[in-house]
Amino acid sequence: EEQLVESGGGLVQPGGSLRLSCAASGFTFSSYCMNWVRQAPGKGLEWVSYISNTLTSIHYADSVKGRFTISRDNARNSLYLQMNSLRAEDTAVYYCARRNCDDGPCSFDNWGQGTLVTVSS
Amino acid sequence: DIQLTQSPSFLSASVGDRVTITCRASQGISSDLAWYQQKPGKAPKVLISAASTLQSGASSRFSGSGSGTEFSLTISSLQPEDYATYHCQQLNSFPFTFGGGTKVEIK
Repeated sequence: EEQLVESGGGLVQPGGSLRLSCAASGFTFSSYCMNWVRQAPGKGLEWVSYISNTLTSIHYADSVKGRFTISRDNARNSLYLQMNSLRAEDTAVYYCARRNCDDGPCSFDNWGQGTLVTVSS
Repeated sequence: DIQLTQSPSFLSASVGDRVTITCRASQGISSDLAWYQQKPGKAPKVLISAASTLQSGASSRFSGSGSGTEFSLTISSLQPEDYATYHCQQLNSFPFTFGGGTKVEIK
């Protein structure tokens, strides 16, 4: 079964740091571009960051640029999000999501269950 | 950045109704649009890619259409399990923006 499992969420004070992880299994992780998407409580989805399968292309939403860093370890089938200088508005459920363009049309076809990050004093 | 405007943001409909949700892009995105269904407390699930391609496992009640800046998701005959929030997303260019979501309530 193809699966993504996030971990690392929790309560952190404003200005603090947190590192999220996403463990992939059941598919060839190194073949797929990956993303982080977040959802603040009661709000819509917000794309956060993207990393290509070869690590040559990385993109961020303006809201996190300069504070968050996406990375991956294809040998460990893992995706990461290092979050620094956290703010209250970063409070959200964070999902890792696989971008699949195998059949031509692209979509985020596999999502983790999400991990909650709460930024509060 | 490309903005996506979904409408309506909320709708209430009866079982068996035909329901249509629209998504408008601030600039042309060809057919690079996906639709997702999200149920409370769960991750989104892709229904449609490339504006009109039904994903494996998605019910044939769902269909998508459009290109350029105007897109729609139609549920042909609303079922109780279709109670959910629906999101559109453009994958034409970074940032991969989402629409604001449409919450569908069953009357």
